[in-house]
Amino acid sequence: GQNIDQPTEMTATEGAIVQINCTYQTSGFNGLFWYQQHAGEAPTFLSYNVLDGLEEKGRFSSFLSRSKGYSYLLLKELQMKDSASYLCAGMDSNYQLIWGAGTKLIIKP
Amino acid sequence: GAVVSQHPSWVICKSGTSVKIECRSLDFQATTMFWYRQFPKQSLMLMATSNEGSKATYEQGVEKDKFLINHASLTLSTLTVTSAHPEDSSFYICSARDGSEGSPLHFGNGTRLTVT
Repeated sequence: GQNIDQPTEMTATEGAIVQINCTYQTSGFNGLFWYQQHAGEAPTFLSYNVLDGLEEKGRFSSFLSRSKGYSYLLLKELQMKDSASYLCAGMDSNYQLIWGAGTKLIIKP
Repeated sequence: GAVVSQHPSWVICKSGTSVKIECRSLDFQATTMFWYRQFPKQSLMLMATSNEGSKATYEQGVEKDKFLINHASLTLSTLTVTSAHPEDSSFYICSARDGSEGSPLHFGNGTRLTVT
């Protein structure tokens, strides 16, 4: 079956770095997405990886290892506004998104 | 960037009534739109794929007669929750791609439906 695993909740300190891991199992693979979702709001797109390696975009970076079925989202210089849920989604061979349950990130001062 | 507009943002209705939710792609055309539902502290659940000019494709367990989808134009899809019940109370979110199948989804702001 298809599955996305990510931690339920993480806590980090303002100004620090946090890495949110995601492992995936999909029928075929057409990329891995990360979305940010603040409470009560819709998700917003953060990153997309389809090739192995690290994609950097400002304070956020995303990494993919296709051989390991593994990705992570790295957030640097954490700010209070980064408190949100982070959703990992794998795209299968039919271009269908398989969603993880999300990782709730709590930032403490 | 691609903008998806969803209306209304929130709605309260009585049991047995119907509610229509609109989803518009503002600066791009979307032959396909996706309707999701999200219960508190749970992941996004795909309800159906809306196809312009043809019937929607519903996910297993989603009643097509209860959740009516109409995709009449390349920029508008509507979801109508018919004969709503309290268990239909949820956060409904539409989304669309502004490019090929591998491009990211852009989400509307969501509609919080409360059925009393």
